[in-house]
Amino acid sequence: TQLLEQSPQFLSIQEGENLTVYCNSSSVFSSLQWYRQEPGEGPVLLVTVVTGGEVKKLKRLTFQFGDARKDSSLHITAAQPGDTGLYLCAGGWGNNRLAFGKGNQVVVIP
Amino acid sequence: ETGVTQTPRHLVMGMTNKKSLKCEQHLGHNAMYWYKQSAKKPLELMFVYSLEERVENNSVPSRFSPECPNSSHLFLHLHTLQPEDSALYLCASSQEGAGVLGNEQFFGPGTRLTVL
Repeated sequence: TQLLEQSPQFLSIQEGENLTVYCNSSSVFSSLQWYRQEPGEGPVLLVTVVTGGEVKKLKRLTFQFGDARKDSSLHITAAQPGDTGLYLCAGGWGNNRLAFGKGNQVVVIP
Repeated sequence: ETGVTQTPRHLVMGMTNKKSLKCEQHLGHNAMYWYKQSAKKPLELMFVYSLEERVENNSVPSRFSPECPNSSHLFLHLHTLQPEDSALYLCASSQEGAGVLGNEQFFGPGTRLTVL
């Protein structure tokens, strides 16, 4: 069973601050996705990283895949209230299967 | 309609009721999934359909019965559920055979199910 540990589970910051959340595993994944989920909605795909050491940027969000393809981080610069949500990481394995973490709940206070 | 849609968005049912959840994907994908999301737990994969054939059933109780009549539609038939089955049920789709990009799953908004 592939397990992904996300930390911190909950993070509350002021608007304009920076934050980093983490997704760690002892398993190697073929890819890693980050999703954002808002209350009452389904997860929305933000990014897919595939290569060890890969860095992708999506506006103020920076995603990094670990060199060994076991872990990932998400950094948000100058957080905005619209960044509030549950950030889920999911590791790809086997025949297009995903293993999910429990999520990082981020709250950005205006 | 675009993406993945699910109906109903909210459902309250008694333990003796029979109901169905519906999912429709407009992305031209060939694989569809049912997940269960409970508080403080990772998403749990329930069923996988690939090219309309069920390829995975993760030890889900028989009171949940999936149906995939074609590659765009997926149903989850519910009967004699238990209160612990209350959760957000999410449908997703993907394009299998697309290499690692086949890992990209696109989710619907979910059905919030409450079993009394």
